Amino acid sequence: GEDVEQSLFLSVREGDSSVINCTYTDSSSTYLYWYKQEPGAGLQLLTYIFSNMDMKQDQRLTVLLNKKDKHLSLRIADTQTGDSAIYFCAESTHNAGNMLTFGGGTRLMVKP
Amino acid sequence: GAGVSQSPRYKVTKRGQDVALRCDPISGHVSLYWYRQALGQGPEFLTYFNYEAQQDKSGLPNDRFSAERPEGSISTLTIQRTEQRDSAMYRCASIGGANTGELFFGEGSRLTVL
Repeated sequence: GEDVEQSLFLSVREGDSSVINCTYTDSSSTYLYWYKQEPGAGLQLLTYIFSNMDMKQDQRLTVLLNKKDKHLSLRIADTQTGDSAIYFCAESTHNAGNMLTFGGGTRLMVKP
Repeated sequence: GAGVSQSPRYKVTKRGQDVALRCDPISGHVSLYWYRQALGQGPEFLTYFNYEAQQDKSGLPNDRFSAERPEGSISTLTIQRTEQRDSAMYRCASIGGANTGELFFGEGSRLTVL
């Protein structure tokens, strides 16, 4: 089946950039997503990218997709303490009912 | 409603009891998904519905787990004869448009089986 892998932990200083990486195995993935999970809250969609794109920018967030290597990254510019959370990478295939397969999550800690 | 609502938020039960978890999706959303998230892991797909029809239940771990959405809106996930390994956060999500796969998640129901 599909597999989505992420590193477990990332620590950065406030104001620095954060880069969270993800690899996936399903070559038929249609969309790739980044979700944010804060303590006691639901999963919040941050951004997504269609598989025929290689980059998407949305304010402080930049998503890069290397489809050949099946590698996705999320860059957060000027990281703030409020960005501390768990970030999940996910993929879906259009003909699979938009069912998402999630990675295990990367815990981002932002130090003041 | 304004968002996906799940109840109860927390449920503690004894092994062997049945539990029912409820999800009220965003009004008008056609598709509804159930996920399970163990501590320290990402959500894992359980099942999903389009309207009242269960489209895929391949993620349900065994026959103690069932779900229904009889009127195409509120859904109930039922776990019979609970076991300690069923302890997890159960998350519900709904989707309006079919193309982007943007799921809107509820805050989840945390189940603890003693």
